[in-house]
This record gives sequence, C-alpha cells and structure tokens, in this order.
Amino acid sequence: QEQLQESGPGLVEPSGTLSLTCTVSGDSINTNPWWSWVRQPPGQGLEWVGEIHQSGSTNYHPSLKSRVTISIDKSKNQVSLELTSVTAADTATYYCAMYKRQGVTWFDPWGQGALVIVSS
Amino acid sequence: SSELTQDPAVSVALGQTVRITCQGDSLRGSYASWYQQRSGQAPKLVIYAADTRPPGIPDRFIGSYSGTTASLTITGVQAEDEADYYCNSRDSSQGFVPFGGGTKLTVL
Repeated sequence: QEQLQESGPGLVEPSGTLSLTCTVSGDSINTNPWWSWVRQPPGQGLEWVGEIHQSGSTNYHPSLKSRVTISIDKSKNQVSLELTSVTAADTATYYCAMYKRQGVTWFDPWGQGALVIVSS
Repeated sequence: SSELTQDPAVSVALGQTVRITCQGDSLRGSYASWYQQRSGQAPKLVIYAADTRPPGIPDRFIGSYSGTTASLTITGVQAEDEADYYCNSRDSSQGFVPFGGGTKLTVL
C-alpha cells in the first residue's frame, strides 16, 4: 500500500507561515487524482483543511480559505500545505491523506501526522 | 448544514455489541466513511461507502445507513477496539468535507 510521510518545522512563531510537505511513495501521486490535508488540535477532533486534484484544482475549508494554499508537485511525489498568519489556534497534528472521490468518498491511507506548535 | 453529529462517548462490555451513530443532512446525498483512531496513532479507515470494509478490517465492523443517519456497529467488541471513531461525508453543494466530532469508545 502507498505510504505518506509528512515533514516540516514542528514550531512556528505566531503570525508566521506553517509549511508542510507530504511525500508519497510509489507512483500513486500520478494514479490517484485527489489528495487532502486534515488537522487535529491536541485533544480535539479531526478537521478537514482542504484538497487538491492532480490538475491543481483546490477546495478549502471556508474558515481557512483566506490563509491556506495546497499545492502538488508530481515530479517530486509531494503534496504541500501552507498556512499563513498562524495563531495558537492552528496548533495541531497535520495529516495528509489520499482522498478517493468515486461517487463515494473516503480517506485512505493516512500519513503518520506532523505536530506543529505555534508559539514564540 | 454540513455538520455531522456523534455522541461524545460510549462504553461497552468486552464481547458485547455497540452501535455508534452519525447524523447530518450531508449524509442524505453522500455515503459515510468511518475512521478508527487509537491513542497516539493516525486515523485508520474501517468503513467506506456506508457499509464496505477495506481489506484487513475484521467483519465485526459493520456499517449501515438510513436517511440522514449512518451507523457503525461493532459486534463481539475486543479490547483493541477501544479508540475514537469519526464519521465523514462530503457536502458537494458546499464543496465541504465534514467530520463528526468523534465518539470515544471505552471497552469495559
């Protein structure tokens, strides 16, 4: 099965930019059209951040839309997340996941997650 | 509304059956998926398309749905089933992907 690995700084200063990369094993970035980011604040539930299609088309959570950018680099097998103007409320574990949209939808597999703390 | 509502917590005796429910208008036009998240781990898909198990998921995990309610039933609950369970769907009209708030399953 495909493997996803998130990477990036674990600490970001308030008002700064959170940047994470998800590296996908194998050739699945070319065979699966959709990829997503999901986050989970400590002790809280899952929250969808957004999604990207191989073509570059994106959809974002309405509350994050003004601050978030998801991009894809098929040559590097990577999906990236940028979140600007971060605050403590953006402290969370960020997961990337393959997103299946075939009439029905589901996330599988998931990366192990990357904890990002927003603090000075 | 795109919101999905789950009971925050449920408990069940070892070997018994438990049902976890998820309610929301988006389920009327979109089949639910369910995720198990054990403590300190990433979420794991256990049911998709409302009632389909991925390879490797025990057949004691059963998904069902009716109208705007999706259910995950676990029969013969095992100690390893203790986890948080999240439902998910897609609200295509809003371009939004909601998760339920999660149900913490405790095995007694």
